[in-house]
Amino acid sequence: NAGVTQTPKFQVLKTGQSMTLQCAQDMNHEYMSWYRQDPGMGLRLIHYSVGAGITDQGEVPNGYNVSRSTTEDFPLRLLSAAPSQTSVYFCASSSFSGGGYNEQFFGPGTRLTVL
Amino acid sequence: AQTVTQSQPEMSVQEAETVTLSCTYDTSESDYYLFWYKQPPSRQMILVIRQEAYKQQNATENRFSVNFQKAAKSFSLKISDSQLGDAAMYFCALNAGNNRKLIWGLGTSLAVNP
Repeated sequence: NAGVTQTPKFQVLKTGQSMTLQCAQDMNHEYMSWYRQDPGMGLRLIHYSVGAGITDQGEVPNGYNVSRSTTEDFPLRLLSAAPSQTSVYFCASSSFSGGGYNEQFFGPGTRLTVL
Repeated sequence: AQTVTQSQPEMSVQEAETVTLSCTYDTSESDYYLFWYKQPPSRQMILVIRQEAYKQQNATENRFSVNFQKAAKSFSLKISDSQLGDAAMYFCALNAGNNRKLIWGLGTSLAVNP
């Protein structure tokens, strides 16, 4: 199993450009999510999905779109990049058992710089 | 509201010594999970240990163990025989009830001195 994969690992954008961060998992997990990590602010949830066709907003969704057309893939789209979106982005997935969601498995992260 | 608090932004320990990282949380749910994650300089987030609230026994994984005090809503991580490879950022996280989100602490940066 590859686990959770993310591409690209590094990206530099100019203000106003758009791009898509790719995330895929091969563990058949129902739950997938996107976080951003900034110094001193921990992990902040951007968007999440509990299954194909179902997405919802996290705590910092503005400027980002997601879709979940398959169980495996959960891309994150930056519509018009801004310097405030400079961050490290993580994709994570987990399965659900009777008592709740299990531990999240993380991708290696994408370091995004917006100039 | 559910919260997770890590009150120690930075800690250090001598190699081979023991260190305890603190985490307190708040939830009104009776059924929940608690996690400790490690993030080394490579940036990869790695699960260290997991505790189910209904289990009274403290979870242990090799040199890592927790002190789970449910009444006090405390979930500390003890690292025994610290190694240089333990140097990392450590995050405490909570998943409560049917909440579809993990609630994260801000992390504790652990340095291991040779």
